[in-house]
Amino acid sequence: NAGVTQTPKFQVLKTGQSMTLQCAQDMNHNSMYWYRQDPGMGLRLIYYSASEGTTDKGEVPNGYNVSRLNKREFSLRLESAAPSQTSVYFCASSEAGQRYEQYFGPGTRLTVT
Amino acid sequence: AQSVTQLGSHVSVSEGALVLLRCNYSSSVPPYLFWYVQYPNQGLQLLLKYTTGATLVKGINGFEAEFKKSETSFHLTKPSAHMSDAAEYFCAVSAFYSGNTPLVFGKGTRLSVIA
Repeated sequence: NAGVTQTPKFQVLKTGQSMTLQCAQDMNHNSMYWYRQDPGMGLRLIYYSASEGTTDKGEVPNGYNVSRLNKREFSLRLESAAPSQTSVYFCASSEAGQRYEQYFGPGTRLTVT
Repeated sequence: AQSVTQLGSHVSVSEGALVLLRCNYSSSVPPYLFWYVQYPNQGLQLLLKYTTGATLVKGINGFEAEFKKSETSFHLTKPSAHMSDAAEYFCAVSAFYSGNTPLVFGKGTRLSVIA
């Protein structure tokens, strides 16, 4: 039982390049989330998927797109990377419902030059 | 809308001293509250959570938190700090978006433990 896995762990992009961050969970959770973490800013929600087939914007969605590929997988795409997207990205999953905690992946550290 | 304020971005304590990390929330409905810990270069790990019932919640590694509705607080405590407690701690409250569960996080408090 690996929990939440993310690939890659590290990535360096040049401005304007695109990439997809992958996330998978093996806990049969319905809900999945993408956050970014920046110093002094805490975690900010980018997008989430309450259930397979649905996605919704979070606090900071601009410059990102997501795909809920199936119940296990939720990817985050940067179409044209900008230096402001340099951050650590975390994927999380949870059972549906407000009582349930989120389980986090180990993160992807992205640098855009 | 829900929000979380963590007082103090950095707290230093001596080994063996009391740890107190403060969290205040705002919520228009009864909240669900969480504390997470993040060790360097790792993801977040749940320490404890309050949903309903007993207001004093015990978590892992000797931490506990008390939900005080009148003070809208959910402070995290540990009687005796250990060097291994050095980490960043995040308080979070559940947000009500059409019944889904995105969490709203505070900005975090970095705990340093001095030998």
